[in-house]
Amino acid sequence: GAVVSQHPSRVICKSGTSVKIECRSLDFQATTMFWYRQFPKKSLMLMATSNEGSKATYEQGVEKDKFLINHASLTLSTLTVTSAHPEDSSFYICSGTGDRGGTDTQYFGPGTRLTVL
Amino acid sequence: GDSVTQMEGPVTLSEEAFLTINCTYTATGYPSLFWYVQYPGEGLQLLLKATKADDKGSNKGFEATYRKETTSFHLEKGSVQVSDSAVYFCALLTQAGTALIFGKGTTLSVSS
Repeated sequence: GAVVSQHPSRVICKSGTSVKIECRSLDFQATTMFWYRQFPKKSLMLMATSNEGSKATYEQGVEKDKFLINHASLTLSTLTVTSAHPEDSSFYICSGTGDRGGTDTQYFGPGTRLTVL
Repeated sequence: GDSVTQMEGPVTLSEEAFLTINCTYTATGYPSLFWYVQYPGEGLQLLLKATKADDKGSNKGFEATYRKETTSFHLEKGSVQVSDSAVYFCALLTQAGTALIFGKGTTLSVSS
């Protein structure tokens, strides 16, 4: 399968600061990337969908000014959590679809654990 | 709205036991159905999928059949191994969109 990486894998920050998470498709071109949030013992919740070069589409209830998504190239998407608060602590996972496996197959990154103190 | 329900875990089995993880869905139209697996410390990986009714997806000894009459996509394996210990997610891709809707995940623990 195709490989997606995320960086950092774990980050701890102070309340009020901003954190950027990178998602890279290493061996395929990801025309569409997705950002999910996973709570303990809960399923993955889709936050937003982004197409390369376009503005992201956010799911209902997700604050677009708080979770800034940039998909500037076919191999990189970033999620910036602005003015982070403890309730933003979670596991953030990205995925991509593109020129590998068909548009119905998403390839997932390993996730980023965010802890806001 | 569309949703996926899968059995609560954890599921604890001995090596070589038979595995079933139930998954049912609610959706309009004809969604595609998936099983993803998340091994400890790793990202989700596609295990198998089925795109239309009566299709059977299979991979690594796992299989699941798309049953539209019962809106189910149960995951089965005849003989589990310790290396199968992971969290398994059932998911559907809506007919209209590109977003995956996941179940809550079932943790499988296999002991030798």
